[in-house]
Amino acid sequence: NAGVTQTPKFQVLKTGQSMTLQCAQDMNHEYMSWYRQDPGMGLRLIHYSVGAGITDQGEVPNGYNVSRSTTEDFPLRLLSAAPSQTSVYFCASSPRLAATGELFFGEGSRLTVL
Amino acid sequence: AQSVTQLDSQVPVFEEAPVELRCNYSSSVSVYLFWYVQYPNQGLQLLLKYLSGSTLVKGINGFEAEFNKSQTSFHLRKPSVHISDTAEYFCAVSDLLQGAQKLVFGQGTRLTINP
Repeated sequence: NAGVTQTPKFQVLKTGQSMTLQCAQDMNHEYMSWYRQDPGMGLRLIHYSVGAGITDQGEVPNGYNVSRSTTEDFPLRLLSAAPSQTSVYFCASSPRLAATGELFFGEGSRLTVL
Repeated sequence: AQSVTQLDSQVPVFEEAPVELRCNYSSSVSVYLFWYVQYPNQGLQLLLKYLSGSTLVKGINGFEAEFNKSQTSFHLRKPSVHISDTAEYFCAVSDLLQGAQKLVFGQGTRLTINP
Protein backbone atom coordinates (compact mmCIF):
# COMPACT_ATOMS: atom_id res chain seq x y z
CA ASN A 1 0.00 0.00 0.00
CA ALA A 2 1.60 3.25 -1.17
CA GLY A 3 -0.63 5.70 0.73
CA VAL A 4 0.76 9.25 0.46
CA THR A 5 3.98 9.54 -1.54
CA GLN A 6 6.18 12.64 -1.47
CA THR A 7 9.13 13.42 -3.71
CA PRO A 8 11.88 14.39 -3.38
CA LYS A 9 12.80 13.38 0.16
CA PHE A 10 15.69 15.85 0.29
CA GLN A 11 16.42 19.01 -1.70
CA VAL A 12 18.92 21.85 -1.46
CA LEU A 13 18.15 25.11 -3.25
CA LYS A 14 19.82 28.45 -3.64
CA THR A 15 17.92 31.61 -2.79
CA GLY A 16 15.71 32.62 -5.70
CA GLN A 17 15.48 29.19 -7.30
CA SER A 18 12.13 27.56 -7.93
CA MET A 19 11.03 24.01 -7.38
CA THR A 20 8.00 21.77 -6.94
CA LEU A 21 7.39 19.29 -4.18
CA GLN A 22 5.29 16.43 -5.45
CA CYS A 23 2.55 14.67 -3.50
CA ALA A 24 0.44 11.75 -4.69
CA GLN A 25 -2.09 9.58 -2.88
CA ASP A 26 -3.73 6.36 -4.05
CA MET A 27 -6.58 6.22 -1.51
CA ASN A 28 -9.07 8.28 -3.53
CA HIS A 29 -9.14 10.90 -0.79
CA GLU A 30 -10.79 14.17 -1.74
CA TYR A 31 -8.99 16.27 0.84
CA MET A 32 -5.26 16.99 0.59
CA SER A 33 -3.05 19.45 2.42
CA TRP A 34 0.50 20.69 2.88
CA TYR A 35 2.10 21.42 6.24
CA ARG A 36 5.53 22.67 7.16
CA GLN A 37 7.27 21.53 10.33
CA ASP A 38 9.75 23.76 12.11
CA PRO A 39 11.46 23.13 15.46
CA GLY A 40 9.37 24.33 18.39
CA MET A 41 6.48 25.36 16.14
CA GLY A 42 4.74 22.10 15.40
CA LEU A 43 3.05 21.77 12.04
CA ARG A 44 1.54 24.75 10.27
CA LEU A 45 -0.95 24.47 7.43
CA ILE A 46 0.22 26.03 4.14
CA HIS A 47 -2.53 25.19 1.63
CA TYR A 48 -5.29 22.65 1.36
CA SER A 49 -7.75 21.28 -1.19
CA VAL A 50 -11.18 19.71 -0.70
CA GLY A 51 -11.30 18.31 -4.21
CA ALA A 52 -9.98 18.58 -7.74
CA GLY A 53 -10.02 22.19 -8.91
CA ILE A 54 -10.50 23.61 -5.40
CA THR A 55 -7.71 25.00 -3.24
CA ASP A 56 -7.55 27.36 -0.28
CA GLN A 57 -4.97 29.01 1.91
CA GLY A 58 -3.95 27.84 5.32
CA GLU A 59 -2.07 29.61 8.08
CA VAL A 60 1.21 30.30 6.23
CA PRO A 61 0.54 30.46 2.46
CA ASN A 62 2.95 33.24 1.44
CA GLY A 63 5.65 32.12 -0.98
CA TYR A 64 3.84 28.93 -1.97
CA ASN A 65 1.46 28.00 -4.78
CA VAL A 66 -0.67 24.91 -5.23
CA SER A 67 -3.00 23.44 -7.81
CA ARG A 68 -5.22 20.35 -7.84
CA SER A 69 -5.91 19.11 -11.36
CA THR A 70 -6.56 15.50 -10.29
CA THR A 71 -7.79 13.77 -7.15
CA GLU A 72 -4.46 11.98 -6.78
CA ASP A 73 -1.92 14.80 -7.04
CA PHE A 74 -1.35 17.99 -5.06
CA PRO A 75 2.01 19.64 -5.89
CA LEU A 76 3.47 22.49 -3.85
CA ARG A 77 5.43 25.12 -5.76
CA LEU A 78 8.06 27.50 -4.45
CA LEU A 79 8.46 30.21 -7.09
CA SER A 80 11.44 32.01 -5.55
CA ALA A 81 12.92 30.14 -2.60
CA ALA A 82 14.01 32.02 0.52
CA PRO A 83 16.07 30.80 3.50
CA SER A 84 12.93 31.18 5.66
CA GLN A 85 11.43 28.32 3.66
CA THR A 86 14.01 25.88 4.96
CA SER A 87 11.80 23.30 6.64
CA VAL A 88 10.38 19.81 6.51
CA TYR A 89 7.24 19.65 4.40
CA PHE A 90 4.48 17.11 4.89
CA CYS A 91 1.63 16.27 2.58
CA ALA A 92 -1.50 14.75 4.11
CA SER A 93 -4.85 13.46 2.87
CA SER A 94 -8.21 12.34 4.22
CA PRO A 95 -11.67 11.40 2.97
CA ARG A 96 -13.72 14.55 2.46
CA LEU A 97 -16.48 13.79 4.91
CA ALA A 98 -14.14 12.38 7.49
CA ALA A 99 -15.86 12.01 10.84
CA THR A 100 -12.77 10.15 11.92
CA GLY A 101 -10.54 13.19 11.74
CA GLU A 102 -7.61 11.09 10.66
CA LEU A 103 -5.05 12.62 8.34
CA PHE A 104 -2.74 10.29 6.45
CA PHE A 105 0.75 11.75 6.16
CA GLY A 106 3.58 11.23 3.73
CA GLU A 107 7.12 10.72 5.01
CA GLY A 108 8.13 14.31 4.45
CA SER A 109 10.42 16.35 2.20
CA ARG A 110 13.37 18.10 3.81
CA LEU A 111 14.17 21.36 2.03
CA THR A 112 17.23 23.52 2.66
CA VAL A 113 17.49 26.97 1.07
CA LEU A 114 20.96 28.49 1.09
CA ALA B 1 -9.95 30.09 15.89
CA GLN B 2 -8.42 27.29 17.84
CA SER B 3 -5.01 27.01 19.45
CA VAL B 4 -3.11 24.23 21.16
CA THR B 5 -0.43 24.44 23.82
CA GLN B 6 1.74 21.50 24.72
CA LEU B 7 3.18 22.35 28.07
CA ASP B 8 6.41 20.38 27.81
CA SER B 9 8.80 20.48 24.87
CA GLN B 10 10.79 17.50 26.15
CA VAL B 11 9.93 14.71 28.57
CA PRO B 12 12.62 12.20 29.62
CA VAL B 13 11.47 9.10 31.49
CA PHE B 14 12.89 5.73 32.40
CA GLU B 15 11.68 2.58 30.74
CA GLU B 16 8.62 1.01 32.41
CA ALA B 17 7.80 4.27 34.21
CA PRO B 18 4.45 6.03 33.66
CA VAL B 19 4.28 9.15 31.53
CA GLU B 20 1.88 12.03 30.99
CA LEU B 21 2.16 14.48 28.09
CA ARG B 22 0.12 17.60 28.67
CA CYS B 23 -2.06 19.40 26.15
CA ASN B 24 -4.34 22.39 26.59
CA TYR B 25 -6.50 23.89 23.89
CA SER B 26 -8.45 27.05 23.29
CA SER B 27 -11.61 27.25 21.22
CA SER B 28 -14.90 29.10 21.25
CA VAL B 29 -16.75 26.13 19.74
CA SER B 30 -16.90 22.40 20.34
CA VAL B 31 -13.87 20.55 19.06
CA TYR B 32 -12.38 17.31 17.96
CA LEU B 33 -9.09 16.43 19.69
CA PHE B 34 -6.24 14.25 18.50
CA TRP B 35 -2.84 12.94 19.42
CA TYR B 36 -0.42 12.08 16.64
CA VAL B 37 2.98 10.40 16.97
CA GLN B 38 6.03 10.95 14.80
CA TYR B 39 8.81 8.38 14.94
CA PRO B 40 12.28 9.48 13.78
CA ASN B 41 12.44 10.33 10.09
CA GLN B 42 8.82 9.40 9.50
CA GLY B 43 5.53 11.16 8.93
CA LEU B 44 2.86 11.53 11.59
CA GLN B 45 0.37 8.81 12.41
CA LEU B 46 -2.79 8.94 14.48
CA LEU B 47 -2.44 7.70 18.05
CA LEU B 48 -5.97 8.40 19.30
CA LYS B 49 -8.85 10.82 18.94
CA TYR B 50 -11.80 12.27 20.81
CA LEU B 51 -14.87 13.06 18.77
CA SER B 52 -17.70 12.60 21.27
CA GLY B 53 -18.95 10.24 23.96
CA SER B 54 -16.70 8.84 26.67
CA THR B 55 -14.09 11.33 27.79
CA LEU B 56 -11.50 8.57 28.27
CA VAL B 57 -10.12 7.55 24.91
CA LYS B 58 -7.88 4.57 24.28
CA GLY B 59 -5.46 4.48 21.38
CA ILE B 60 -2.76 2.32 19.91
CA ASN B 61 0.33 1.06 21.75
CA GLY B 62 -1.30 1.29 25.19
CA PHE B 63 -1.80 5.06 25.18
CA GLU B 64 -4.92 6.77 26.48
CA ALA B 65 -6.09 10.34 26.87
CA GLU B 66 -8.79 12.08 28.85
CA PHE B 67 -10.85 14.97 27.56
CA ASN B 68 -11.57 17.53 30.28
CA LYS B 69 -13.89 20.20 28.96
CA SER B 70 -13.83 22.38 32.07
CA GLN B 71 -10.04 22.51 32.05
CA THR B 72 -9.80 22.51 28.24
CA SER B 73 -7.23 19.75 28.42
CA PHE B 74 -6.50 16.51 26.61
CA HIS B 75 -3.53 14.93 28.36
CA LEU B 76 -1.93 11.77 27.00
CA ARG B 77 -0.92 8.98 29.37
CA LYS B 78 0.74 5.59 29.36
CA PRO B 79 1.18 3.54 32.54
CA SER B 80 4.46 1.89 31.48
CA VAL B 81 6.60 3.12 28.61
CA HIS B 82 8.93 1.17 26.36
CA ILE B 83 12.06 2.18 24.50
CA SER B 84 10.04 1.99 21.28
CA ASP B 85 7.81 4.85 22.51
CA THR B 86 10.66 7.29 21.90
CA ALA B 87 9.14 9.76 19.44
CA GLU B 88 7.66 13.22 19.12
CA TYR B 89 4.02 13.57 20.08
CA PHE B 90 1.67 16.21 18.74
CA CYS B 91 -1.68 17.29 20.13
CA ALA B 92 -4.11 18.71 17.58
CA VAL B 93 -7.56 20.27 17.53
CA SER B 94 -10.22 20.80 14.89
CA ASP B 95 -13.61 22.41 15.26
CA LEU B 96 -16.71 20.45 14.36
CA LEU B 97 -17.51 22.58 11.34
CA GLN B 98 -14.14 21.98 9.68
CA GLY B 99 -13.82 18.31 10.49
CA ALA B 100 -10.39 17.03 9.53
CA GLN B 101 -9.82 19.78 7.03
CA LYS B 102 -8.02 22.16 9.35
CA LEU B 103 -6.10 20.52 12.10
CA VAL B 104 -4.24 22.96 14.35
CA PHE B 105 -1.20 21.35 15.91
CA GLY B 106 0.65 22.03 19.11
CA GLN B 107 4.39 22.57 19.22
CA GLY B 108 5.16 18.93 19.95
CA THR B 109 6.61 17.05 22.93
CA ARG B 110 9.72 14.96 22.46
CA LEU B 111 9.47 11.83 24.60
CA THR B 112 12.79 10.17 25.38
CA ILE B 113 12.86 6.80 27.09
CA ASN B 114 16.01 5.94 29.01
CA PRO B 115 16.90 2.33 29.83
